Amino acid sequence: GIQVEQSPPDLILQEGANSTLRCNFSDSVNNLQWFHQNPWGQLINLFYIPSGTKQNGRLSATTVATERYSLLYISSSQTTDSGVYFCAVEPYFGNEKLTFGTGTRLTIIP
Amino acid sequence: ETGVTQTPRHLVMGMTNKKSLKCEQHLGHNAMYWYKQSAKKPLELMFVYNFKEQTENNSVPSRFSPECPNSSHLFLHLHTLQPEDSALYLCASSQERVSYEQYFGPGTRLTVT
Repeated sequence: GIQVEQSPPDLILQEGANSTLRCNFSDSVNNLQWFHQNPWGQLINLFYIPSGTKQNGRLSATTVATERYSLLYISSSQTTDSGVYFCAVEPYFGNEKLTFGTGTRLTIIP
Repeated sequence: ETGVTQTPRHLVMGMTNKKSLKCEQHLGHNAMYWYKQSAKKPLELMFVYNFKEQTENNSVPSRFSPECPNSSHLFLHLHTLQPEDSALYLCASSQERVSYEQYFGPGTRLTVT
């Protein structure tokens, strides 16, 4: 099946810093989503972005489908940004399942 | 209520108990999903329903039994669980089955004693 790798696995930053999270995937995709899982377990949709670039406030994402990667940018980090960020993909051909990466755990220190 | 809701939020059960998890979506979607999230593992898809029909059973043991009475409600019936079944169980929904954005509920944290 499709492989999804996220990097870095852990990231600790001071409040106000910027960060870039990366998601590499091994095959062409129909669907790519970025989620933020808060400390209570809730998965919050950030972006639906199988290709192109989107921005929402301090967050933006870019997916380069031809090169099989996606980047999530967080600017001016706040403590509420802490949590685990997941990338999930659905392959273009195949099993019609969202496959999740293992996540990047982001900790923002005041 | 908006979005996807799940009840209960926390559940502790013995191995001989029977319990059910409930999910309700208020988004007008036609596909619903159960996922399992165990410590140190990626989210695993368990079941998929599309227009109330089960379209996916991802090799889940029979002690987990899903039910989808209509497009807005999804249940997961649990019986004779094992301690390794302790996990966060997440429900999600999407407009339809393929290539649509999925929205998740807050999850039920299950502990099997």
